[in-house]
Amino acid sequence: EIVLTQSPSTLSLSPGERATLSCRASQNIHTRLAWYQQKHGQSPRLLIYDASNRATGVPARFSGSGSGTDFTLTISSLEPEDFAVYYCQQRSTWPIFGQGTKLEIK
Amino acid sequence: EVQLVESGGGLIQPGGSLRVSCAASGFSFSSYNMNWVRQAPGKGLEWVAYISAYSSTKSYADSVKGRFTISRDNGKNSLYLQMSSLRADDTAVYYCAREFGSGTYYFDLWGQGTPVTVSS
Repeated sequence: EIVLTQSPSTLSLSPGERATLSCRASQNIHTRLAWYQQKHGQSPRLLIYDASNRATGVPARFSGSGSGTDFTLTISSLEPEDFAVYYCQQRSTWPIFGQGTKLEIK
Repeated sequence: EVQLVESGGGLIQPGGSLRVSCAASGFSFSSYNMNWVRQAPGKGLEWVAYISAYSSTKSYADSVKGRFTISRDNGKNSLYLQMSSLRADDTAVYYCAREFGSGTYYFDLWGQGTPVTVSS
């Protein structure tokens, strides 16, 4: 079974700063990776699919990169509404999610 | 409005059965593969089950295989999850989620979730 490991578990930053979130797969998953945002009390929202493609309506400050086993979600300049939990998800076998990174206000 | 609305969650005793439902609106439900994803309290996301657009293919997470059954009624724009032999570790918010493009296994539309609590 493919395992996704996200780091860090918690990231404390201020609005306007750049956020870099990591997701590492235990096996090569090519670019079969998505990123989701989940705000407190809400359902998840698809941000990025196939490692680097923004979903409809996602602001340009969100970008994804990587292939193989190492992936990154970058938020270029944090807005107040970006503080949330972020999950990566692979689709090489059945869908599997990482454990999440909580992005909190410093 | 394009949306998914779950219902049917509640408190159920261990070993019991429960069916949760998901009503779709605003899009062509029969054109999409659908899934159930759950989230235990304070925990991450766990994919539970998948059903193709015309129910020809179904798949399940190992943790629910043999106990849960996914189904759909395209005439009613509805998705279902029949859960039996429920255990405490099935306690979670259950989300229905639409697959973003056939075969992608990404989820581009989620409901608000329905909570299921398994406890005596």
